[in-house]
Amino acid sequence: DQQVKQNSPSLSVQEGRISILNCDYTNSMFDYFLWYKKYPAEGPTFLISISSIKDKNEDGRFTVFLNKSAKHLSLHIVPSQPGDSAVYFCAAAASGGSYIPTFGRGTSLIVHP
Amino acid sequence: DAGITQSPRHKVTETGTPVTLRCHQTENHRYMYWYRQDPGHGLRLIHYSYGVKDTDKGEVSDGYSVSRSKTEDFLLTLESATSSQTSVYFCAIRAPTEETQYFGPGTRLLVL
Repeated sequence: DQQVKQNSPSLSVQEGRISILNCDYTNSMFDYFLWYKKYPAEGPTFLISISSIKDKNEDGRFTVFLNKSAKHLSLHIVPSQPGDSAVYFCAAAASGGSYIPTFGRGTSLIVHP
Repeated sequence: DAGITQSPRHKVTETGTPVTLRCHQTENHRYMYWYRQDPGHGLRLIHYSYGVKDTDKGEVSDGYSVSRSKTEDFLLTLESATSSQTSVYFCAIRAPTEETQYFGPGTRLLVL
């Protein structure tokens, strides 16, 4: 029973265009959301996060949007670059308590030159 | 980069043998986690620690045990390795005041 779902296992985008990665969650207690990026043979690295008190957070080319009513978040990368090719994991957590993030299964992004 | 190392980075072992993976941090963070990553499953939590000698089970803890006798070290033990435990294992750390986890480089384990 997945509480965090990334329904697209892969996404292919042309360099310079926008990449949109989607994530859905089911647990209403989640109030903090994170995106991690993972290259082959490396550990995941933190990319961007958003708290449930916001609906948008931007960091350079990366923007995360949160739609609480739909329990949906998305990561936008504009413009996409070949170096963005990686697996992207969405994670969600309930603040307080032991804070255990739940991860989605990941989306593999390929950005073609 | 957060100071996290994992050892060994690669290991091949046989079914039934015990295996211990080590995670070492230099950040003095309170929280440490062990995950496994498998194709089609993303990152799944095995065990976590919220302090020295304080640990708890995660989603996929069967067949694994952990120990944390020092703040900087978190050990993951497969008591009797099985082929289903072939995976890539990641350690992560987190400071109490942050929501972000920082991951180690991973250990690739193959159980034959």
